[in-house]
Amino acid sequence: NFMLTQPHSVSESPGKTVTISCTGSSGSIASNYVQWYQQRPGSAPTLVIYEDNQRPSGVPDRFSGSIARSSNSASLSISGLKTEDEADYYCQSYDNNNWVFGGGTKLTVL
Amino acid sequence: EVQLVQSGAEVKKPGESLKISCKGSGYTFTNSWIAWVRQMPGKGLEWMGIIYPGDSDTRYSPSFQGQVIMSADNSISTAYLQWDSLKASDSAMYYCARITVGNWFDPWGQGTLVTVSS
Repeated sequence: NFMLTQPHSVSESPGKTVTISCTGSSGSIASNYVQWYQQRPGSAPTLVIYEDNQRPSGVPDRFSGSIARSSNSASLSISGLKTEDEADYYCQSYDNNNWVFGGGTKLTVL
Repeated sequence: EVQLVQSGAEVKKPGESLKISCKGSGYTFTNSWIAWVRQMPGKGLEWMGIIYPGDSDTRYSPSFQGQVIMSADNSISTAYLQWDSLKASDSAMYYCARITVGNWFDPWGQGTLVTVSS
C-alpha cells in the first residue's frame, strides 16, 4: 500500500522559512498530485496547496509546494513565518482508489 | 459559497447505534463525491471512504469496510455516517469533505466529535 511519510515536527522562528517534506513509499510521487492541508488547534483541516504547487484563493503566496522526483518527495515551504502559521500540516495524495494522508507535521513557530 | 455543516457532538455507550450527518450547500450536492475522515485524539487524518450522492455509490477504505455505513439523502443534501454497534475505539473526531475532480478534499465540514464511553 502506498504511504506518505512526514517528519513528526519542525520548528522555526518568525520571519524565517521552513520546509516540510512528504516522502512516497513506492512508485513515483509524481504519478499523482500532492495536496497540503493546514489544521490549526481545534479546527478542521483547510487546503493550502493542491496539484503539487497551486494555491487556493485566499492562501498567502508565502505558501508554496514542490515535487522532487529524485527523492520521490513533495515539499511545503512557508516563508516569512508568522505565529498564526503554527499548526499541523498534512500531505495527501491519491493512488488506485485510495486517498492517502501523511502522518502530519507539527509546525512550531517560536 | 460551498459549505458542509455537520451535526453536533455525540456521547454514546458501547453497543449503541449512531448516525451523524453532513449537509452540503452552495453546489449541486448530487454531482460531487463526499468523503469521511477520522481523526482519533492526538492523531492524524485517516480516510474512511466516499459516497457519490447522485447514485449512492460507496467505496470504503479496507480499514473501515464493514465497520461503518455511508448513505445520503439527496432531498435534503445530506450525507450520513452510521455505526450499528459502537466501540470505545470509535471515539474520535469525524470530518466530511467534498472531493474535487482532482481528488483532493475541499471544503471540509467543521467535524463531529463522537465519544463512546460506559
